[in-house]
Amino acid sequence: GAGVSQSPSNKVTEKGKDVELRCDPISGHTALYWYRQSLGQGLEFLIYFQGNSAPDKSGLPSDRFSAERTGGSVSTLTIQRTQQEDSAVYLCASNTGTVYNEQFFGPGTRLTVL
Amino acid sequence: AQSVTQLDSHVSVSEGTPVLLRCNYSSSYSPSLFWYVQHPNKGLQLLLKYTSAATLVKGINGFEAEFKKSETSFHLTKPSAHMSDAAEYFCVVSLYDKIIFGKGTRLHILP
Repeated sequence: GAGVSQSPSNKVTEKGKDVELRCDPISGHTALYWYRQSLGQGLEFLIYFQGNSAPDKSGLPSDRFSAERTGGSVSTLTIQRTQQEDSAVYLCASNTGTVYNEQFFGPGTRLTVL
Repeated sequence: AQSVTQLDSHVSVSEGTPVLLRCNYSSSYSPSLFWYVQHPNKGLQLLLKYTSAATLVKGINGFEAEFKKSETSFHLTKPSAHMSDAAEYFCVVSLYDKIIFGKGTRLHILP
């Protein structure tokens, strides 16, 4: 595809519900990253995939957060039992996994937990 | 270990005056360095990148940055600010799969 895509663009949910956020990286990009950006804050790293494996999950804030990647392509970030503090923009980025890691960002999913 | 520090959380300049956004980094090896810009309610866009070629890097929209190894700095500059430059700017240090974002500098342009 032309760029990284994310869906949905906006998600409003009630506290306690589960949500799934999807990321379609650029075709051929082996590395995929999830970030969270809360209102007025910088980017918070969540998880990194190389292919289908996740060598670095250190940024996941709690065990309510999980992510998977299948076929070395699409990734899904799942948040279980959402809390109001989970409200943020969730950004996905991909790159070629080479040493010069220019990140290509998706437009983000704005999650609002009521 | 790598780290990046953006020295100012907010910078205000008048339209038509120079812009300086400061970034210092720490890395055990020679990293790649990037500046990204995020306009309000927009996605992140690459402004420029340093990948061990020329130390003075030119980017889009008239921005440039100079890699100074002795000072471990990668400051972003523009000779003349425009109202459309108002945005958040992120300095990024990268070495293989480790990508570290600075906390961002919000640039305000005064008319």
